[in-house]
Amino acid sequence: EVQLVESGRLVVQPGGSLRLSCAASGFTFDDYTMHWVRQAPGKGLEWVSLISWDGGNTYYADSVKGRFTISRDNTKNSLYLQMNSLRTEDTALYYCAKDSSRGELDYWGQGTLVTVSS
Amino acid sequence: DIQMTQSPSSLSASVGGRVTITCRTSQGISNFLAWYQQKAGKAPKLLIYAASTLQSGVPSRFSGSGSGTDFTLTISSLQPEDVATYYCQKYNSAPLTFGGGTKVEIK
Repeated sequence: EVQLVESGRLVVQPGGSLRLSCAASGFTFDDYTMHWVRQAPGKGLEWVSLISWDGGNTYYADSVKGRFTISRDNTKNSLYLQMNSLRTEDTALYYCAKDSSRGELDYWGQGTLVTVSS
Repeated sequence: DIQMTQSPSSLSASVGGRVTITCRTSQGISNFLAWYQQKAGKAPKLLIYAASTLQSGVPSRFSGSGSGTDFTLTISSLQPEDVATYYCQKYNSAPLTFGGGTKVEIK
């Protein structure tokens, strides 16, 4: 059974930094591209970033480019999102998601809530 | 970047009724479009990929169609368990943009 488990609830001040983690199991992690998607309270889904199976290719939404860095450790079956220069508008539930290999997202974690507030 | 326009933003239909949601892209994306269902308090669930292919385990009352710039998600006979918000997403290239969502309720 595929499982994606993100790190727990987190609170940080504006301008601060945070690293999210996602532990994957139930599939061959290093065969798949992985994604981060976020959802602000009461709002829709926003794609954030993706990383290829080997970490060689990464892409970002314009809203986070230059502030967030996606990475992975295939030896630990883990996905990460380093978030710097955080803003109040980054407050959201952050989901990690598995790429099917065709591009759509076929499995999602339960999400981890990041609150940016003073 | 390609813009996604999803409509309507909300709708209400009777149990057993037919529901149609549309998604339009500002440039052609072939059939690189997926539909997701998100129930309240839950993570999104993949319903349809490649515009019209049903994900394994998804009821056959859900169907998708379209190619290029215009896409449709149809629920042929709305059931109470289909109350949710539905999102389209393009995945031909990054950024993998989502539509704004359609909230479906029972009348």
